[in-house]
Parts: sequence; structure tokens; C-alpha cells
Amino acid sequence: DAMVIQNPRYQVTQFGKPVTLSCSQTLNHNVMYWYQQKSSQAPKLLFHYYDKDFNNEADTPDNFQSRRPNTSFCFLDIRSPGLGDAAMYLCATGEVSGANVLTFGAGSRLTVL
Amino acid sequence: AQSVTQLGSHVSVSEGALVLLRCNYSSSVPPYLFWYVQYPNQGLQLLLKYTSAATLVKGINGFEAEFKKSETSFHLTKPSAHMSDAAEYFCAVSLLTGGFKTIFGAGTRLFVKA
Repeated sequence: DAMVIQNPRYQVTQFGKPVTLSCSQTLNHNVMYWYQQKSSQAPKLLFHYYDKDFNNEADTPDNFQSRRPNTSFCFLDIRSPGLGDAAMYLCATGEVSGANVLTFGAGSRLTVL
Repeated sequence: AQSVTQLGSHVSVSEGALVLLRCNYSSSVPPYLFWYVQYPNQGLQLLLKYTSAATLVKGINGFEAEFKKSETSFHLTKPSAHMSDAAEYFCAVSLLTGGFKTIFGAGTRLFVKA
């Protein structure tokens, strides 16, 4: 089945130690998104790629970076995680030729010690 | 700018009772509207979508939603709740202009009592 896969599902890191979360898709969708979701809150868009075109949200901290080396893969890098960055990170894909229905991965839960 | 407001962060119903989750949107152009469901420790799944075709939209698991332009609403309903419906529900709006972004409401947690 076509899907969105996130790794790792659970990531524990220490304060200030860089972390990379990965996302891969077999849907061949042209848009890939990273959302941050804290407990009992709505997903908050961090940034997205439309093909290779990177779009950063104005309020996304510089501590968060992303890479999309090809259509299938997208990475979220957190350069110096703080306690406030503990959250679920959701990757989603969308195909703008339709209604841009989002297909989500299962998420990566980040714990910062 | 588009936005979504979900009324009620928590809704509790008895098994077999009507489910009604409220969503109002704000958009300067006709939007695409969605309901997504999230089970614990999982990503979001699409329940249903409105894309300017029929105003009454049927989704999975017996859910449906009605687009009412005059009320700027897109409420989610299900005639008879099941225990397995307990989850977090998010209303969302998407525009294919201005960056292809989807904005989510704050979510409504549905509790189903036996």
C-alpha cells in the first residue's frame, strides 16, 4: 500500500543534542509537510516543500531545519533541542492537483531530557 | 486569512447517541474543508472532505458533514456513536493558493460512554 513512513517512532535525546527525524513516501506526492503537535493541541505547520521549493512558516524557530533530497524523502533536523521542543512530529504529503488531501505518517514522538 | 474554530474541546456522548462536533471556518475564497480523526499515538486520518460538489458529504465509519455557506459551518455528525469512535477530531481548511497550506482547528476530543 502507498503510504507515509516516519522514523523513528520514538526518539529520546538530551538537551542540546541534535536530532534528525525522517519521512518517506511512496505516493509520489509533490508536497511534503512537517507539523509539530504538542499534547492536546492542533498540529502546527512548521514548513513544507512543494517539489524542491521550501516554504518556512514565519514563526518556525531557526532551530528547526528541513531537507528534501528527492521526491520520496524529507528530513526534519532539530539543531539544539530544548525542553519545549518535546512533541509529536507529524509528516504529511499532499497532491495539489486534487483537493490537497493530506496523508499522514504515524508520527515521531520526541522526548528531550 | 483562513481559519477554523471548533466549538467544544471535549464532547461526551453515550453509546448509540447522536454525535455532533461543531466547526466554523473563515475564508475569503471558497475553501476546501476536511475532518480528520486521530487515535492515540497515531497520525491523522481523513474522515471526509468538502470540495464544492455536494454540500452533504459522507465519510468513513458512518460520519457525515454538511457545508453551510450562510453559516460558514461544516459540522460533523454521526447518528449513533460507537465506542470505537472515541478519538480526537480535527476540522481543517485548505486553500490551493498562498502556499497549499492546511490549517487545523484546535480539535475536539470525543468520549463515548457505555
